Amino acid sequence: AQSVTQLDSHVSVSEGTPVLLRCNYSSSYSPSLFWYVQHPNKGLQLLLKYTSAATLVKGINGFEAEFKKSETSFHLTKPSAHMSDAAEYFCVVSRANSGNTPLVFGKGTRLSVIA
Amino acid sequence: DVKVTQSSRYLVKRTGEKVFLECVQDMDHENMFWYRQDPGLGLRLIYFSYDVKMKEKGDIPEGYSVSREKKERFSLILESASTNQTSMYLCASSFQTVRAYEQYFGPGTRLTVT
Repeated sequence: AQSVTQLDSHVSVSEGTPVLLRCNYSSSYSPSLFWYVQHPNKGLQLLLKYTSAATLVKGINGFEAEFKKSETSFHLTKPSAHMSDAAEYFCVVSRANSGNTPLVFGKGTRLSVIA
Repeated sequence: DVKVTQSSRYLVKRTGEKVFLECVQDMDHENMFWYRQDPGLGLRLIYFSYDVKMKEKGDIPEGYSVSREKKERFSLILESASTNQTSMYLCASSFQTVRAYEQYFGPGTRLTVT
């Protein structure tokens, strides 16, 4: 079964410093991977996606993630944190190698940004 | 803009009550989902539906049922609420295409069972 492991439950960074949120995946085939973000009191939204095209994918608000098959990782990064980035981030994998299939969510990483 | 609305933001119910959580989407999405979100556990899939009158069990369906009589509406039913069903419930919808991974979420219903 497909799964993701988010290696940190909470990450705290200072404003203006880089962000790294770590995610490892387990999959029996080449997976489709995603990051979703949940801002306080708001619904989740898709941040970025990897679906077997370019291994470095760019998302909204300056975030990007790199798919590394050799390391089974899909870490989320941003060069410079902003206060508005404080949120919960979920690494997500598709359950099957076909388009219409439910997603599997990681347990989440809460990002705090300190002024 | 896609809109997914949930009937209540906050709900307090007593143990043993039958509870209905309603979700409506306005984008003609074929797929609809119900999740519960608990601290440290992420989102767990309860039930989903690919079409009207169709339902599939997710990872934690015990104690829940669903109904989808119309394409835009997906209801989650707690037949006899228990305290361990106190949680945040999230509804989502998506198209049934190559972009099926892009789910649109409602704001959530925080349910407390006492």
